[in-house]
Amino acid sequence: GQNIDQPTEMTATEGAIVQINCTYQTSGFNGLFWYQQHAGEAPTFLSYNVLDGLEEKGRFSSFLSRSKGYSYLLLKELQMKDSASYLCAVRSDSNYQLIWGAGTKLIIKP
Amino acid sequence: GAGVSQTPSNKVTEKGKYVELRCDPISGHTALYWYRQSLGQGPEFLIYFQGTGAADDSGLPNDRFFAVRPEGSVSTLKIQRTERGDSAVYLCASSRYKGGDYKGVYNEQFFGPGTRLTVL
Repeated sequence: GQNIDQPTEMTATEGAIVQINCTYQTSGFNGLFWYQQHAGEAPTFLSYNVLDGLEEKGRFSSFLSRSKGYSYLLLKELQMKDSASYLCAVRSDSNYQLIWGAGTKLIIKP
Repeated sequence: GAGVSQTPSNKVTEKGKYVELRCDPISGHTALYWYRQSLGQGPEFLIYFQGTGAADDSGLPNDRFFAVRPEGSVSTLKIQRTERGDSAVYLCASSRYKGGDYKGVYNEQFFGPGTRLTVL
């Protein structure tokens, strides 16, 4: 079957760094997305990886290792507004359908 | 510019009733997706449209669910004989192109705010 795993919940301190991991087993691979979802709101796009390595975008970075079926999202200089769920999604070989993880709820403490 | 819009934002109905949920995608986006999301879960794929046709409806849970996109823009998700288990947030998303990467564009999906459906 196809599966995306990520931790259910993480807690971090304002100003610190946090890494949210995602592992996947899918029938194919055509890109991995990270989305942010605040409570009661729609997911919003954060990052995309299709080749191995690190993609940096301001305070957020995303890493991919295709051979290991592994990605992480790195958030630096955490702010209270970063409290949200972070969803990992893989686009399989069907090219359009995204397979979603259950999301990691990130709690930021002052 | 305008994002994806969905109406209504909230819908409360009684078991057995019929409901329609509407999605207005970003102008010019050819691909449209319906998902539903339960609390603490990621979105669950329901159906994908490319233009007017349903390219993949494999995620629709049963024949009570149906969706249309007659003019290749607005889409309506229709649920007949609603059941309590249908209660969820129904999300619509659109993307500019069909398929995966297109000329280096991520072709990410843009989501609407969702319709929260509650079946009593």
